[in-house]
Amino acid sequence: DQQVKQNSPSLSVQEGRISILNCDYTNSMFDYFLWYKKYPAEGPTFLISISSIKDKNEDGRFTVFLNKSAKHLSLHIVPSQPGDSAVYFCAASAADSNYQLIWGAGTKLIIKP
Amino acid sequence: ETGVTQSPTHLIKTRGQQVTLRCSSQSGHNTVSWYQQALGQGPQFIFQYYREEENGRGNFPPRFSGLQFPNYSSELNVNALELDDSALYLCASRPGGLNNEQFFGPGTRLTVL
Repeated sequence: DQQVKQNSPSLSVQEGRISILNCDYTNSMFDYFLWYKKYPAEGPTFLISISSIKDKNEDGRFTVFLNKSAKHLSLHIVPSQPGDSAVYFCAASAADSNYQLIWGAGTKLIIKP
Repeated sequence: ETGVTQSPTHLIKTRGQQVTLRCSSQSGHNTVSWYQQALGQGPQFIFQYYREEENGRGNFPPRFSGLQFPNYSSELNVNALELDDSALYLCASRPGGLNNEQFFGPGTRLTVL
């Protein structure tokens, strides 16, 4: 039972355009959501997070949107840069499970020059 | 400030053997989590330690065990290795007690032959 789903295994975007990565979840107890970026041969690096009491959080070029009724979140990267090419993971946690992270399968983002 | 470190980087074992993986948490972090990442998948939560006590466990058999030491470093032990245990093992640390981002090490690549 996959509680966190990233349905797009890969996404290709032109440099300078907007990249939109999507994530769906099923567990209504999740109250904190995070996006991580992973390069080959490295551990995941934290990008941005959002609490379930918010519907938007912005940090520079990165914005995360949360739609609780749809159990959907998205990560927007504007403008996309070549260094953004990586695998992006969505993860969720709940207070009643000691904040263990439940991860999606990842989306490989490719930024084309 | 030293980040999360893991050793060894790579490891090759045969079925039935035992393995110990090590992790040094980031300074000031008293919570350590271990994840297994199979090829093409997101990380799967194995267990979490807070101040030397296990306080969360994922769906992994008892042959996966761990320890956390007074300096908050941690070990993951796997007994009776199986071929499916081949994966990247990630360690993450965070300040405990709060819902916040986890900081990951580079991982240990385990291959079971």
